[in-house]
Amino acid sequence: EAGVAQSPRYKIIEKRQSVAFWCNPISGHATLYWYQQILGQGPKLLIQFQNNGVVDDSQLPKDRFSAERLKGVDSTLKIQPAKLEDSAVYLCASSLSGTSGHEQYFGPGTRLTVT
Amino acid sequence: AQSVTQLDSQVPVFEEAPVELRCNYSSSVSVYLFWYVQYPNQGLQLLLKYLSGSTLVKGINGFEAEFNKSQTSFHLRKPSVHISDTAEYFCAVGGNTGKLIFGQGTTLQVKP
Repeated sequence: EAGVAQSPRYKIIEKRQSVAFWCNPISGHATLYWYQQILGQGPKLLIQFQNNGVVDDSQLPKDRFSAERLKGVDSTLKIQPAKLEDSAVYLCASSLSGTSGHEQYFGPGTRLTVT
Repeated sequence: AQSVTQLDSQVPVFEEAPVELRCNYSSSVSVYLFWYVQYPNQGLQLLLKYLSGSTLVKGINGFEAEFNKSQTSFHLRKPSVHISDTAEYFCAVGGNTGKLIFGQGTTLQVKP
């Protein structure tokens, strides 16, 4: 079974530029999560999708971050404009459903550096 | 509100020695607890989880954890570590929606 795919793996941009990350979850997984992991910290949930609907985006900085999962499969996370404090690893995860009984499978992450 | 505190940021240990990584949680609702491992430049991998039932949970790679409701703890243990166990370990608490709240992480450094 293929795992969660993410691209790019690394990205370096200047502040005020825009950037987009892509995630392809495990086939058949209805729930998709985007986490932000700042160096030295644990991952923090940015947004949770159930199929193509948003379940939780309470910690997403909506003035600059946006995410979509139009067909309920793959997803994109965008930052525009980027700030220095956005430097982090962005992790995508998926699970069969949005309950804690189902394991979340994580992708390798995209490491973003904002200069 | 839910929160997780990992009491040690770094734990150095010699190979074949036992290890315990400490985790305390706070939750006002039913709690589900997890331990994840993260190797360098990789995503997180589930080691074990507690949803209900037996308070002693066994996971992959010889790890186990014990849920202690009175002490609100979920410490991770391994009786004999290997060099390959060197990694970052995260404790997490979840609720009914699947959302996970992670601790700050503990770096396990296994020395030869």
